[in-house]
Amino acid sequence: QSVLTQPPSASGTPGQRVTISCSGSSSNIGTNYVYWYQQLPGTAPKLLIYRNNQRPSGVPDRFSGSRSGTSASLAISGLRSEDEADYYCAAWDDRLSVVFGGGTRLTVL
Amino acid sequence: EGQLVESGGGLVQPGRSLRLSCAASGFTFEDYAMHWVRQAPGKGLEWVSGISWNSGSIGYADSVKGRFTISRDNAKNSLYLQMNSLTPEDTALYYCAKDRTIMPDDAFDVWGQGTMVTVSS
Repeated sequence: QSVLTQPPSASGTPGQRVTISCSGSSSNIGTNYVYWYQQLPGTAPKLLIYRNNQRPSGVPDRFSGSRSGTSASLAISGLRSEDEADYYCAAWDDRLSVVFGGGTRLTVL
Repeated sequence: EGQLVESGGGLVQPGRSLRLSCAASGFTFEDYAMHWVRQAPGKGLEWVSGISWNSGSIGYADSVKGRFTISRDNAKNSLYLQMNSLTPEDTALYYCAKDRTIMPDDAFDVWGQGTMVTVSS
């Protein structure tokens, strides 16, 4: 049982816009930044979004993040086949540890 | 951007110990906090431990507190994880990850490929 709650799966067709939700509490998302990681099959995770809505260099602007209250979401627009991956949200909590969501497997139909 | 290479994983019996290492290159190691994150087979990510640039701030997940010890050697550009009293629940791929800042409180922007630890009799 993960501290942050994500839907286990999501799907979309090429070109579509997909959103993945992440629900937490006042001790994590409610007071700290949210991060998103992408894990392609068989590879290490990659930072996608940091500090709620910032993209590292090299991450396409098709990926965007937002936070509201104790929830956050990742939006992917112009969906592409190479976006098929597992997506994890994360946040620091008030106990000075990192909590992750259980992950959302995105399928591009 | 940097590179991280983990080593030291393997098959170990329950109750025994193992020490993981992570060699960093391509960035100024002493300028960043570092972390260990693990992923059990077919499962999600779990943060294990983090350490600040000067080892002055260290944190552990409740699941490993008292059994695992994180450390670093800035002169050798290396991060370590001493794992004692291992249980089958510690079986996972262990990733070394670099923090964006000097303190262990931001995103993990560089990841290694991981080293597999299997705890089994």
